[in-house]
Amino acid sequence: AQKVTQAQTEISVVEKEDVTLDCVYETRDTTYYLFWYKQPPSGELVFLIRRNSFDEQNEISGRYSWNFQKSTSSFNFTITASQVVDSAVYFCALRPWGNTPLVFGKGTRLSVIA
Amino acid sequence: DAGVIQSPRHEVTEMGQEVTLRCKPISGHDYLFWYRQTMMRGLELLIYFNNNVPIDDSGMPEDRFSAKMPNASFSTLKIQPSEPRDSAVYFCASSFGSGGASDTQYFGPGTRLTVL
Repeated sequence: AQKVTQAQTEISVVEKEDVTLDCVYETRDTTYYLFWYKQPPSGELVFLIRRNSFDEQNEISGRYSWNFQKSTSSFNFTITASQVVDSAVYFCALRPWGNTPLVFGKGTRLSVIA
Repeated sequence: DAGVIQSPRHEVTEMGQEVTLRCKPISGHDYLFWYRQTMMRGLELLIYFNNNVPIDDSGMPEDRFSAKMPNASFSTLKIQPSEPRDSAVYFCASSFGSGGASDTQYFGPGTRLTVL
């Protein structure tokens, strides 16, 4: 069975603080993909990043960085120097290799206060 | 390029009425997914298609729900009759089907359905 756990339901930070959103996954598959999506207040789901199970290199994109650790089945997301525009619900998702549906976590609501 | 298009963006209807949600996937994508988002259950898959053929509809809650994909550029999700518990945001997503890195699912803006 596939499962994604985002233990943090809500996080509130002051602008310019760094914040890490946790994601822990469960799967028996040896090959799989992990994703992060952002859902701003306007409601759409915006793709942020995809990682495959073969590649444990961390990735940085501007103020965003992702830490993938197979040993702990975690795929955490860090926002550096947070901004008010980062306020959104962030979803971590898992997908086995091949084009199958995503299994989503419950999401973490991030509020960045000016 | 146009993303996934969904219509209507908002739908308010009364219990017992038929509701039809529409989706146009990204051109060239051969997989189409319907997801539903509720506070209680989060984001969950309803059904998905490959090359217009339904592959897995095990997430469709009951017989009141049906989905079709008559061609590569159009899909509908129908609820008949609608009930208040169907109130949710319904997302359509599409992707390529190579099985590799290009299979990222891109989502439409969603349809917010309210059944009174």
